[in-house]
Amino acid sequence: GAGVSQSPSNKVTEKGKDVELRCDPISGHTALYWYRQSLGQGLEFLIYFQGNSAPDKSGLPSDRFSAERTGGSVSTLTIQRTQQEDSAVYLCASSLSQFREQYFGPGTRLTVT
Amino acid sequence: GDSVTQMEGPVTLSEEAFLTINCTYTATGYPSLFWYVQYPGEGLQLLLKATKADDKGSNKGFEATYRKETTSFHLEKGSVQVSDSAVYFCALKVTGNQFYFGTGTSLTVIP
Repeated sequence: GAGVSQSPSNKVTEKGKDVELRCDPISGHTALYWYRQSLGQGLEFLIYFQGNSAPDKSGLPSDRFSAERTGGSVSTLTIQRTQQEDSAVYLCASSLSQFREQYFGPGTRLTVT
Repeated sequence: GDSVTQMEGPVTLSEEAFLTINCTYTATGYPSLFWYVQYPGEGLQLLLKATKADDKGSNKGFEATYRKETTSFHLEKGSVQVSDSAVYFCALKVTGNQFYFGTGTSLTVIP
């Protein structure tokens, strides 16, 4: 079956603009995660969804970052007033439940100029 | 807090060489441990996992043993191939929902 998909694959935006990144998890996966992978860094946890609710928002780096999930499926990560330090690859992962292994999407490479 | 420290790369090996990528962890509870692999241009994939002490995870010729006494989960392969060239991430998960990932180790295998 289809894996986790993310769009766009690449996004170049000007500093100060807002961006939306989309994640389509594997059908039936109730848990969804967002991570950020900066150059030379490991994966930084951003937020986790169980269904449509986000019990753990501890990783969001600032109030410019927000995320939502609707219908227990698609999730959108929004970054407002982007800064150059937001440039990174944003990865989405889903799993059958919070106790199961995660399946990752290919990521969205965000470049803020 | 919970964290993972893995060997810095990049690592370059000749084909058929022995591979070790070190990973140590700090955890307050009883973590599950994972190795993920990211091939060029692809997303992360689970390579292997171990959920309790002394468990050995294995897949595609790779192995890692969960060592509680040394808080380690080193990745090994006896004979690497060019197709193993990728970035390898060690990760842990304690109770709750968050995975902690290492910084990744880039492996290049040359013919």
